[in-house]
Amino acid sequence: DSGVTQTPKHLITATGQRVTLRCSPRSGDLSVYWYQQSLDQGLQFLIQYYNGEERAKGNILERFSAQQFPDLHSELNLSSLELGDSALYFCASSARDAAPEAFFGQGTRLTVV
Amino acid sequence: ILNVEQSPQSLHVQEGDSTNFTCSFPSSNFYALHWYRWETAKSPEALFVMTLNGDEKKKGRISATLNTKEGYSYLYIKGSQPEDSATYLCAFKSGGSYIPTFGRGTSLIVHP
Repeated sequence: DSGVTQTPKHLITATGQRVTLRCSPRSGDLSVYWYQQSLDQGLQFLIQYYNGEERAKGNILERFSAQQFPDLHSELNLSSLELGDSALYFCASSARDAAPEAFFGQGTRLTVV
Repeated sequence: ILNVEQSPQSLHVQEGDSTNFTCSFPSSNFYALHWYRWETAKSPEALFVMTLNGDEKKKGRISATLNTKEGYSYLYIKGSQPEDSATYLCAFKSGGSYIPTFGRGTSLIVHP
């Protein structure tokens, strides 16, 4: 158990809908990263938050947004969903930016139908 | 965009075989190289963090080496066991951003 909790584990929704994925980082970790893994793709970095502030952005679509709350949990909001958004979404946390390693949650499998 | 390549994409070996795979990354502005092991339906689990050129790390039958000047790392598994079956991911961190950039992974299947 990595200590990072993601909910829900699975989500099936229709095109055009909006969903929210939730991540609770390891206790004490300030940094949260979101990654997307689509079929045959590596883990693609979406966005990082550090202690409530957006720290870095990757290939995140404008339809997607995220935030980190004062209790350090994070949410990834995906709207106007398209079939191509079907993927495994991972959250990872680390103590700080340059921390030796990040700890991953088990991911949320999103299927858009 | 940082280019992190892993090879081979997949590997099938017999129980008891030793195996190795490669992670290639940019040789400039190196900060750290991570290896993760990812079993199906589980979360990626950190194996090694490597920061210095020439680093060698070992955990049981698994070891890794690092060459930052030429931009590659090798992961070795000695005497593969079926429980070693997993996808092995490497992730490169540059000194500029500290965001791990992942390769696509090497999928290892060890047949009994």
